[in-house]
Amino acid sequence: NAGVTQTPKFQVLKTGQSMTLQCAQDMNHNSMYWYRQDPGMGLRLIYYSASEGTTDKGEVPNGYNVSRLNKREFSLRLESAAPSQTSVYFCASDESGGIDEQFFGPGTRLTVL
Amino acid sequence: GEDVEQSLFLSVREGDSSVINCTYTDSSSTYLYWYKQEPGAGLQLLTYIFSNMDMKQDQRLTVLLNKKDKHLSLRIADTQTGDSAIYFCAESKNTDKLIFGTGTRLQVFP
Repeated sequence: NAGVTQTPKFQVLKTGQSMTLQCAQDMNHNSMYWYRQDPGMGLRLIYYSASEGTTDKGEVPNGYNVSRLNKREFSLRLESAAPSQTSVYFCASDESGGIDEQFFGPGTRLTVL
Repeated sequence: GEDVEQSLFLSVREGDSSVINCTYTDSSSTYLYWYKQEPGAGLQLLTYIFSNMDMKQDQRLTVLLNKKDKHLSLRIADTQTGDSAIYFCAESKNTDKLIFGTGTRLQVFP
């Protein structure tokens, strides 16, 4: 099992450009999450999907959109990138939320110039 | 992680014990977790404790929970250089979401 995979690993964008971060899991998990990690701020939840076909906002959803394409895949889109979105983005999944262990991908390091 | 606070840095000598502290604000939290993040990688679950427990031990790891003070700690005995990482505490309230702390960077020196 590959676990949680993310692409790309690194990306540099100019302000105003758009891009989609891809995430896939092969553990048949129901719930998937997108976080951003910034120095001194820990992990902040952007969006999550409790099950296929549903998505909900997290703590910092502004400037992002998500799609739960199927049970395996959960993508994060930046429509018009801003320097404030420079961060490391992590995708995670778990069986059903709450008490279950969350499994994390390796992260995408995004720089917006 | 405004609900969960941790000190940012801890430096210990190899072989000593490390104690990483965390305070949380929501007394209704059901489970509390410790995750470890190694350089350039995602987070991995180390251990967790139910809110009705005071202590949990797992090999070199000891978790202490003081519900009255909303204080959680992780003790690593015989700290090794491979323990150098960022440690996150997190709380869960039986919802879909975890609330993570700011993370504590542990540096182990010889």
